[in-house]
Amino acid sequence: AQRVTQPEKLLSVFKGAPVELKCNYSYSGSPELFWYVQYSRQRLQLLLRHISRESIKGFTADLNKGETSFHLKKPFAQEEDSAMYYCALRTGGGNKLTFGTGTQLKVEL
Amino acid sequence: KAGVTQTPRYLIKTRGQQVTLSCSPISGHRSVSWYQQTPGQGLQFLFEYFSETQRNKGNFPGRFSGRQFSNSRSEMNVSTLELGDSALYLCASSLGGARGYGYTFGSGTRLTVV
Repeated sequence: AQRVTQPEKLLSVFKGAPVELKCNYSYSGSPELFWYVQYSRQRLQLLLRHISRESIKGFTADLNKGETSFHLKKPFAQEEDSAMYYCALRTGGGNKLTFGTGTQLKVEL
Repeated sequence: KAGVTQTPRYLIKTRGQQVTLSCSPISGHRSVSWYQQTPGQGLQFLFEYFSETQRNKGNFPGRFSGRQFSNSRSEMNVSTLELGDSALYLCASSLGGARGYGYTFGSGTRLTVV
């Protein structure tokens, strides 16, 4: 069965420091990975899709099939990056997503 | 364009009752999925509907059911409510099953069972 692991419940960094939110997945087929973000009192929203290889709000994520990872990175953290981040895996046909437990990112001044 | 709309925003029900939640997807989106979010279990997939047919189903008991109408609006029903059903229920819509499309989530319905 598929699984998504986000080992850190809370990640605290200083403003301007690099950020790396870890995500590992378990799936025997061809994975499709996403990062979703939830800012305080807002709805869950899509941040990144691995298939588009884009950079959003300075964040990037590369799918590493050898290490089965999809870590989210940003070179310089900003205060407005403080939020809950979820890694998600889509498998097979349809739109079923398996989510990780989430990492709360706190950017301190 | 309008986002995903879920109604009602809040609900309080008694054990044993049933409840129906509603979701209106973004115009043109044909896939609607439901998720349960709790502090203990996180985000868990309930089911997905595409063109009025259930396409995927999660590991929830048969008390949880859903349907989708011809205009893509979806409803989720929970019968014989239990205290453990208290959660935030999220609806998400997508264009379809092609790779690369992400979900757009609604704000959710907060269900409290007492």
